[in-house]
Amino acid sequence: AQTVTQSQPEMSVQEAETVTLSCTYDTSENNYYLFWYKQPPSRQMILVIRQEAYKQQNATENRFSVNFQKAAKSFSLKISDSQLGDTAMYFCAFTDLTYTGTASKLTFGTGTRLQVTL
Amino acid sequence: DTEVTQTPKHLVMGMTNKKSLKCEQHMGHRAMYWYKQKAKKPPELMFVYSYEKLSINESVPSRFSPECPNSSLLNLHLHALQPEDSALYLCASSQGLGGGRTGNTIYFGEGSWLTVV
Repeated sequence: AQTVTQSQPEMSVQEAETVTLSCTYDTSENNYYLFWYKQPPSRQMILVIRQEAYKQQNATENRFSVNFQKAAKSFSLKISDSQLGDTAMYFCAFTDLTYTGTASKLTFGTGTRLQVTL
Repeated sequence: DTEVTQTPKHLVMGMTNKKSLKCEQHMGHRAMYWYKQKAKKPPELMFVYSYEKLSINESVPSRFSPECPNSSLLNLHLHALQPEDSALYLCASSQGLGGGRTGNTIYFGEGSWLTVV
């Protein structure tokens, strides 16, 4: 069974600074996808970034980038130029290519609560 | 803006009531999901529909009854719920097989807050 571990329950960063959120996972699969989702106080789950395991190049989306280390099974999220609107719970998630029909099963980590301060 | 729409956003119901949560997606996705999320916890998968057929039921109590009338709509019928069922219920969808590199990506709605009294 796949597991996803986020070892930092809470983090704080000042506005405009850079912060890195950690995530490790365990799987015996070779092909899979990793995601970071953001859940602000409004509770909507928002996709931040996606990484395909077969791609060596780290994914980037504007101020968000990942450090994907497949051998180490590590998938950290870096947020540059942090903004107050980045305050949220961040979930790391994993899905492999084992479909049931056309669907995917997401395995979530326990989340990291990020507070951006002035 | 999300393209997965959930109604109502808030629902308060008694333990003897029957109510429904509704979800609609406008992205042509072929898989739809219901998740339950308690405070400070990650979402827990409840049901998955694939091509309008129920493909996963994560041993959810029968007081929760899903329905997928067509590929764009997903309902969750609620009956005889308990106070511990109070939670945020998230609907989600994904494109599925044939969806290319984004096929596995699951997109969530804003959620329906359910309070059982």
